[in-house]
Formats: sequence, structure tokens, C-alpha cells
Amino acid sequence: EDQVTQSPEALRLQEGESSSLNCSYTVSGLRGLFWYRQDPGKGPEFLFTLYSAGEEKEKERLKATLTKKESFLHITAPKPEDSATYLCAYKETSGSRLTFGEGTQLTVNP
Amino acid sequence: NAGVTQTPKFQVLKTGQSMTLQCAQDMNHEYMSWYRQDPGMGLRLIHYSVGAGITDQGEVPNGYNVSRSTTEDFPLRLLSAAPSQTSVYFCASRGGQGTLNTEAFFGQGTRLTVV
Repeated sequence: EDQVTQSPEALRLQEGESSSLNCSYTVSGLRGLFWYRQDPGKGPEFLFTLYSAGEEKEKERLKATLTKKESFLHITAPKPEDSATYLCAYKETSGSRLTFGEGTQLTVNP
Repeated sequence: NAGVTQTPKFQVLKTGQSMTLQCAQDMNHEYMSWYRQDPGMGLRLIHYSVGAGITDQGEVPNGYNVSRSTTEDFPLRLLSAAPSQTSVYFCASRGGQGTLNTEAFFGQGTRLTVV
């Protein structure tokens, strides 16, 4: 069965303490892997799209990478404003539907 | 540029009542979708539309109806509200014909409570 699992469920970091969030997926044919950021009481905000294993995308302190089984969102020297829930989602080659993981709630303490 | 606008932001319904959640986008996007977000379940697709006059079911369509009479609007109707429909609802849109496009724009959400 196709699925996506994010870990950890919650992560607490000190400002400047780099870490990574994991998104493991099982899908027969991957069309794309997507990362979103969601702040409390808001809708998801699109961050990155990854299409193939080995691909990397960067935006400020965030870097997303993709292998054949998982994606990582690396956060370098995080700041309190990076606190949010980070969601990953995938799209299969057959169909246009997005399937979301449950998210990782990141808290960065000053 | 307003993006995706959802109304209302909050709503309380009694069991059995019906209502319509409104969603409008001003980006001329063809693809629009409705999700619900529940603790421990992630975002789940309810219904989607690939253009005016075309709608299809997602993962959890039961108890919901949609229509797409214009490109801009994609309302979600709850036919007879049930406590299981208590959730946060998000409308999303994406543009372009590319098959790799994703929902890049989400509304602010409607928090619905059914008592």
C-alpha cells in the first residue's frame, strides 16, 4: 500500500542547532515529492518540489533532498521564526492526487 | 492579489444541518481541491476539480458535494452535518497544465465544529 511517514512527530531545537526532518515514502511510481510549511491557524505554504533521486533544493536555511525511499528537510542554524509544522506529500505517476504525511512539528527556542 | 479566499473562518453547526463552505481564487487556476485536516490523519483530499464543469471524488468524499460553475469558485457543501465532520477544511489551487504541478496555494482554512 502506498504511504508516507514523517519523523519525528515533534522536534525541539535550540536556535542555531541544525537538524533534519525525515519523510519516508512507499509508492510504486513517484511523480513528485513536495514539502510544505504550516503555521498555526494557517494553510500550508509550498516550499519545494523534488522530482528524482539525488535532487536537492535550497531556500534560506532549508535544504530538501530526495532518495528512492525518503526525503530529508535539513535545517541549518535554525531561528525561532522557523518554528512551524513541516508537511511532506507525494504525487504518483498515475493520477494527480497529493498524499500528505502527518507532519513534523518543529519548535526552535531562542 | 488575494490568492485563495475561504469563508467562513469558523462555523458551528448542529447535527443534521447543511451548509456551504465557500472558496474563491483570483489566479485563473484550473485545478482546485478541498482537503480536511484532522489530528493524526494529515490532510486528506475530499473532492477536486480540473476545470469549470468537471469535478471528481478524492479520498474521503462521503457527506460532501461540490460543483464548479466558474473557474474562480469551488464551494463545498455539507448535506447533513455529522460530528465526524468536525475538522479544519482547506481549499487549494494550482495553475498550469504540467502534470508535475502541485497545490501551491492554500486558503486560510475553515474550522468547523458539529455538535
